[in-house]
Amino acid sequence: QVQLQESGPGLVKPSETLSLICNVSGGSIRSYYWSWIRHPPGKGLEWIGFIYHSGSSEYNPSLKSRVTISIDTSKAQFSLRLTSVTAADTAVYYCARWSGGYYFYYDNWGQGTLVTVSS
Amino acid sequence: EIQMTQSPSSLSASVGDRVTITCRASPSISTYLNWYQQKPGKAPQLLIYGASSLQSGVPSRFSGSGSETDFTLTISSLQPEDFATYYCQQSYTTPQTFGQGTKLEIK
Repeated sequence: QVQLQESGPGLVKPSETLSLICNVSGGSIRSYYWSWIRHPPGKGLEWIGFIYHSGSSEYNPSLKSRVTISIDTSKAQFSLRLTSVTAADTAVYYCARWSGGYYFYYDNWGQGTLVTVSS
Repeated sequence: EIQMTQSPSSLSASVGDRVTITCRASPSISTYLNWYQQKPGKAPQLLIYGASSLQSGVPSRFSGSGSETDFTLTISSLQPEDFATYYCQQSYTTPQTFGQGTKLEIK
């Protein structure tokens, strides 16, 4: 069973860059899409973007100017960078595997990590 | 961007009740609809994909139906462990979008 684990700072100052890493274990990072999703307090889930093992990526247009997702298959990890953060970026951040054949879905998630944007 | 609207936003029910949650998509998404369950402090878990296919390991009291714009998640007989928040998600196109969630509480 594949396992995902997020890591990174829990506190980021306004205007700085949020950086998270997701480590993938128990399965291959190849042949899947890997996503970042966030859950702001009191709100619904928001898709940030995903990356394929080849490195091709796609982002939510609402965040596209500030987001970069990258992947290192040799380390079995992928990462998120979100620049110029504000309090609105405070959320639990999840990494997840986008899987399937005809239909796609999130079948494996990390436990989530709370990132607070505050001075 | 495809808009996903769930109703109700919250629901009180008792153990043994039959419960239905609705998700509406605009515009149409065929059957590219997933349902997730989330418990406090935990990541969401996949229940249903392709509008009506039950994910492996999910109890058969969960079922999904619908197509195009109108979808439902039904729990045939609520169990204590089912009290959680439920989200629909469209996988038809990017950006992927989720419903705002339905919180299922104990009456």
